[in-house]
Amino acid sequence: SAVISQKPSRDICQRGTSLTIQCQVDSQVTMMFWYRQQPGQSLTLIATANQGSEATYESGFVIDKFPISRPNLTFSTLTVSNMSPEDSSIYLCSVSGTVNTEAFFGQGTRLTVV
Amino acid sequence: ELKVEQNPLFLSMQEGKNYTIYCNYSTTSDRLYWYRQDPGKSLESLFVLLSNGAVKQEGRLMASLDTKARLSTLHITAAVHDLSATYFCALIQGAQKLVFGQGTRLTINP
Repeated sequence: SAVISQKPSRDICQRGTSLTIQCQVDSQVTMMFWYRQQPGQSLTLIATANQGSEATYESGFVIDKFPISRPNLTFSTLTVSNMSPEDSSIYLCSVSGTVNTEAFFGQGTRLTVV
Repeated sequence: ELKVEQNPLFLSMQEGKNYTIYCNYSTTSDRLYWYRQDPGKSLESLFVLLSNGAVKQEGRLMASLDTKARLSTLHITAAVHDLSATYFCALIQGAQKLVFGQGTRLTINP
């Protein structure tokens, strides 16, 4: 199994500022995923972080708002830029193991924008 | 496009009772997951189902998969308060990304 360390675990930020969330995995993985969970809602994929190439964004999410870095096979960051109260959510990173194994999640970052 | 629908979305039940959460999906997928989420917490993996007819059990929870009907169920036997949480099913789409159902908020009352 993979152990994922995500930080910060929570933050309260002023609107208009940016927050960078870090995700560290204890083993090398090909793909890392960033999800958003708005209050009381399900999880929605923001983007797939690929090592050595640009992240792949889902419909409704853009790089200018959610820039992603993936400098190596064990680490990724997600930045939430120019925040507004609508960005208040839990952000989770996830990795998949090899075929037929589980998908693992970090502890999540609870973001509140005031 | 893969769509995943759970029902019910809210479930309030008494301890000791049995109930089932349903997860329907629209297109074929290689894997189906069930997760538990406690308030303010991340996701805890419960089951991974890979093939038609797969059944897995852990304690009072049992999950099954019918790929022909595109249906998975999560059955709760003799519920206890500690099982109160939100339960999600999710399926793999494309390159290992997950598509989630809406979640079922389960409340178990003494």
